[in-house]
Amino acid sequence: DTGVSQDPRHKITKRGQNVTFRCDPISEHNRLYWYRQTLGQGPEFLTYFQNEAQLEKSRLLSDRFSAERPKGSFSTLEIQRTEQGDSAMYLCASSPRGAVNEKLFFGSGTQLSVL
Amino acid sequence: AQSVAQPEDQVNVAEGNPLTVKCTYSVSGNPYLFWYVQYPNRGLQFLLKYITGDNLVKGSYGFEAEFNKSQTSFHLKKPSALVSDSALYFCAVRDTISGANNLFFGTGTRLTVIP
Repeated sequence: DTGVSQDPRHKITKRGQNVTFRCDPISEHNRLYWYRQTLGQGPEFLTYFQNEAQLEKSRLLSDRFSAERPKGSFSTLEIQRTEQGDSAMYLCASSPRGAVNEKLFFGSGTQLSVL
Repeated sequence: AQSVAQPEDQVNVAEGNPLTVKCTYSVSGNPYLFWYVQYPNRGLQFLLKYITGDNLVKGSYGFEAEFNKSQTSFHLKKPSALVSDSALYFCAVRDTISGANNLFFGTGTRLTVIP
């Protein structure tokens, strides 16, 4: 399968713990996005990378959230001191080099539950 | 500011009948409009997009959408619904004026096709 891969699929953690998610985009896709989706809502933009550069960050991305894409390939999203309100599906997407209006390819997401 | 409205949380249609899933948008400049579909336990999949040109856009699985600038709408349509079309549908917009690279999604419409 050469689609966008996310790991883990599910994560259950206790409030106050740190969690880290990984996203492997489609090979040679230089654009990578993180979104968050809660029940009954559409995906909400968190952050955007072009290669290894983090070019955009949403106001939703509080200081407890940090994302990296160190070599322009895979990306990690870390949430420190998790809160119950962080419970959501975290989606990663990638798109190829070229026009910004290219479609996004989404992974299956990481479902986070904070107890 | 950009926004997307999907006025119907749920749409039910009989198999073989035409279906319409509604979407209206608000952007500062010219919109780039997208439809994505989400099946259970799977990532969002691209259906179609409008960037410029012909107002009627054809996409995957027999879906099409019509861009109406005066009504700021981009409704998704299919002439004959299949049971396998049952899923969650999201309309999304990117604002060309803001320069942001992210898509802004609606809250989704759950389509149920009744056999």
